Amino acid sequence: GESVGLHLPTLSVQEGDNSIINCAYSNSASDYFIWYKQESGKGPQFIIDIRSNMDKRQGQRVTVLLNKTVKHLSLQIAATQPGDSAVYFCAERDKAAGNKLTFGGGTRVLVKP
Amino acid sequence: DTAVSQTPKYLVTQMGNDKSIKCEQNLGHDTMYWYKQDSKKFLKIMFSYNNKELIINETVPNRFSPKSPDKAHLNLHINSLELGDSAVYFCASSGSFTGYTFGSGTRLTVV
Repeated sequence: GESVGLHLPTLSVQEGDNSIINCAYSNSASDYFIWYKQESGKGPQFIIDIRSNMDKRQGQRVTVLLNKTVKHLSLQIAATQPGDSAVYFCAERDKAAGNKLTFGGGTRVLVKP
Repeated sequence: DTAVSQTPKYLVTQMGNDKSIKCEQNLGHDTMYWYKQDSKKFLKIMFSYNNKELIINETVPNRFSPKSPDKAHLNLHINSLELGDSAVYFCASSGSFTGYTFGSGTRLTVV
């Protein structure tokens, strides 16, 4: 059996409700931020990104908010669906460090039918 | 067509063995990476190459040696495997104006 992910923070959400996942980043020099979704047995998949000169960006059912003052990033998922169940990661890029992408610790989202 | 492909998907081997994981990308990206994901799902960068040149080399034991024969390939060779090397290894690539694309991972189990 697999015990991977049991220590991850978990967000349980009812199908149809909105989800908000939060992330604190550490590097004030980061210029680009990405949210990834990782399903079991797969690699991280791009969801949405935002550059440091923006504070909000919207995609299909997803919105990313960036607050550089407090180094905080959030991902909002509208009308959460069972297919949204996964582990979500925020990542920050430091262009000066060879485009190094540093990941946050991940949040597991469980969608209840 | 798979954008970033890694082989093998699963690798089970004994302690002390030497093994390689291969990665290829067909996106025309200049930069490739290796990430390690531990049992707590934490993703940490190990190496990156830009046009066959090593750019990032995090604090990784020198038993790990990346090799980039061309900009579409970045392989990872691991010598003298240890139990603590068990993890999922992800290859990724990125371009100048594009985001990062990840492979589906190689689950390495050292017994």
